[in-house]
Amino acid sequence: RKEVEQDPGPFNVPEGATVAFNCTYSNSASQSFFWYRQDCRKEPKLLMSVYSSGNEDGRFTAQLNRASQYISLLIRDSKLSDSATYLCVVNKRSYIPTFGRGTSLIVHP
Amino acid sequence: GAGVSQSPSNKVTEKGKDVELRCDPISGHTALYWYRQSLGQGLEFLIYFQGNSAPDKSGLPSDRFSAERTGGSVSTLTIQRTQQEDSAVYLCASSLSSPAGVYETQYFGPGTRLLVL
Repeated sequence: RKEVEQDPGPFNVPEGATVAFNCTYSNSASQSFFWYRQDCRKEPKLLMSVYSSGNEDGRFTAQLNRASQYISLLIRDSKLSDSATYLCVVNKRSYIPTFGRGTSLIVHP
Repeated sequence: GAGVSQSPSNKVTEKGKDVELRCDPISGHTALYWYRQSLGQGLEFLIYFQGNSAPDKSGLPSDRFSAERTGGSVSTLTIQRTQQEDSAVYLCASSLSSPAGVYETQYFGPGTRLLVL
């Protein structure tokens, strides 16, 4: 089993839709979790950290489920500009994070 | 302020040649990472520098790959005798600091797209 797994997609949704991605991780000792966004032919950029209590930033909500070892990202009211690849990042007690392969989102008019 | 910069942005080389890729981290960032991203793949960790400590080279795929960081700032990734499978985007990232057990947000450069013919 890979350390961090994501459904590659693509998730193809209309504008205004709500879409959710999951990311599973194999190491129960993992300490910190993040979602990064990567636009086509661009570098990854931090979208949000993921906390045990869950956190929200505008239309984006991130959740952590330690018991089932997954994190999720929910995007409400999708915009065309949300089209990108969303990378899950998991970090054990280490300075070297593990990146998932990413989930591709395409928002169409 | 200025972000992470990398040069060149694109590099085409012939199999067997050596290449040098450069990374200028954000000023004041003591941690610097190199990653490789092949088409449709995730980020593959290559090497990590933290301050004056010995680098973590555990991700380098072969002895053809090496990296150095001079003066705790600029870093150079060198690939000797390039092979076609080395073709990828090489990304550099920096962060404020990364003591063991703590992960600081990484800021990525735009990458160098390497094509080995």
